[in-house]
Amino acid sequence: QPVLTQPASLSASPGASASLTCTLRRGINVGAYRIHWYQQKSGSPPQYLLRYKSDSDKQQGSGVPSRFSGSKDASANAGILLISGLQSEDEADYYCMIWHSSTAWVFGGGTKLTVV
Amino acid sequence: QVQLVQSGAEVKKPGASVKVSCKASGYTFTSYYMHWVRQAPGQGLEWVGIINSSGGSTSYAEKFQGRVTVTRDTSTSTVYMELSSLRSEDTAVYYCARDWEDTFDIWGQGTMVTVSS
Repeated sequence: QPVLTQPASLSASPGASASLTCTLRRGINVGAYRIHWYQQKSGSPPQYLLRYKSDSDKQQGSGVPSRFSGSKDASANAGILLISGLQSEDEADYYCMIWHSSTAWVFGGGTKLTVV
Repeated sequence: QVQLVQSGAEVKKPGASVKVSCKASGYTFTSYYMHWVRQAPGQGLEWVGIINSSGGSTSYAEKFQGRVTVTRDTSTSTVYMELSSLRSEDTAVYYCARDWEDTFDIWGQGTMVTVSS
């Protein structure tokens, strides 16, 4: 089972909100980790969005709009990237990442967000 | 401005080696670690390795151990990634990315490496 699991795709409408999940493998407690989020648009390198561990340990990337935010769902053992007020320019692939002692830096498989 | 500029695309035969460069500018090169990440066509991101700020220490993903070497030249603010014994599965875009508190905050533009006979 992968360390980080993301749904392959998600569709949402302009102006709506999208919640992208990153589920940690059983036995890896989401509460102990900083979840990093990256956005990758077609043909471009990834760009850092934000990281979230708790409300007191979070950081927004430089120039990243506040409509991108992070949180966690402890009951689902998952990190969440919430994008509010969706715009067509938000259409991209989104990757979560953690540093884990057994695998060093590891990425989720990515979620392709379509804004239609 | 802060930027990482990588070398151009490469085409290699199976069994050969490739060395990709990443030149940093706009910040104090010796203050930051540097990562390498790769992305096969149509696939996700995969961490390859890291070099520390002084260049004295490296760490690699287990699957690349023995085949990858990351080095840095502080005189030219350049980091290098060499991958040997290339196979078709190594065909990918290779990115360098600056480390800031375990975050990959700045990325290079990517270098396409194609392995084909």
